[in-house]
Amino acid sequence: DAGVTQSPTHLIKTRGQQVTLRCSPKSGHDTVSWYQQALGQGPQFIFQYYEEEERQRGNFPDRFSGHQFPNYSSELNVNALLLGDSALYLCASSRLAEHFTDTQYFGPGTRLTVL
Amino acid sequence: AQSVAQPEDQVNVAEGNPLTVKCTYSVSGNPYLFWYVQYPNRGLQFLLKYITGDNLVKGSYGFEAEFNKSQTSFHLKKPSALVSDSALYFCAVRDPYNQGGKLIFGQGTELSVKP
Repeated sequence: DAGVTQSPTHLIKTRGQQVTLRCSPKSGHDTVSWYQQALGQGPQFIFQYYEEEERQRGNFPDRFSGHQFPNYSSELNVNALLLGDSALYLCASSRLAEHFTDTQYFGPGTRLTVL
Repeated sequence: AQSVAQPEDQVNVAEGNPLTVKCTYSVSGNPYLFWYVQYPNRGLQFLLKYITGDNLVKGSYGFEAEFNKSQTSFHLKKPSALVSDSALYFCAVRDPYNQGGKLIFGQGTELSVKP
C-alpha cells in the first residue's frame, strides 16, 4: 500500500516565478492538507482540501492556492515567489472523521529553493 | 491563541536509558495531541495521538505519551532508547471545536542517542 507521495522532490526557482507542487494521498484517504516547514521550524498549516473544496486555510497570502481533483490528489500553487518561500512543503492525507479525530499521514515533502 | 511549546531544542540520552521529550500546549478547548518524528530529508512519521480516554497512550516503536490536563502537557517517553531513535521530534495539537482539522506544531526537539 503506497503512502503519501509528492512530486517533485526538489525544485529551484527564481523570484517572481510560479510553482506547482503535487500530492497523491494514501489509498482510502479523501482529505489533503498542505504545510510549509521553514528550516529549523515546525510545519505551518497552509490549507486543507476535502471534496475538491478548500475547507480551511491558515495564515498564508493569496499567492498560495490549491486544488483537489476527483481522485483526491492535490496541487499547491505559489505565485510571485519570494526568497522567504524557500522551504520544505509537506502534504498530509487523512480520511475525514467525525469531530476531526483523523490522523494526518505525511509525504516526504518537496524542497523548494527560491533564488 | 493556540500554541505548542517544546522547551528543549535538544535532548541527549545514552543508549538503553529512558528518554523523555517534553511538550506543553495552550488551547481554549479540549485538545487532541499528536507526536511525529522526522528523519533527515524525510517527511513526518506518525507516532501516537491522544483524543480521549486513558491518559497514557502507547504508539509505534515502543514510544508512549502521557496526557496531563492540569499541567497542559503531553510528554513523549520511551523506557529504553536506541541509537536509531535519534531524530527530530514534533509535538502537535488540534483544537477541533475552534480550529477544525489544522495541526499546530511545536518547534521540534532534536533527540540524540549515543551508544
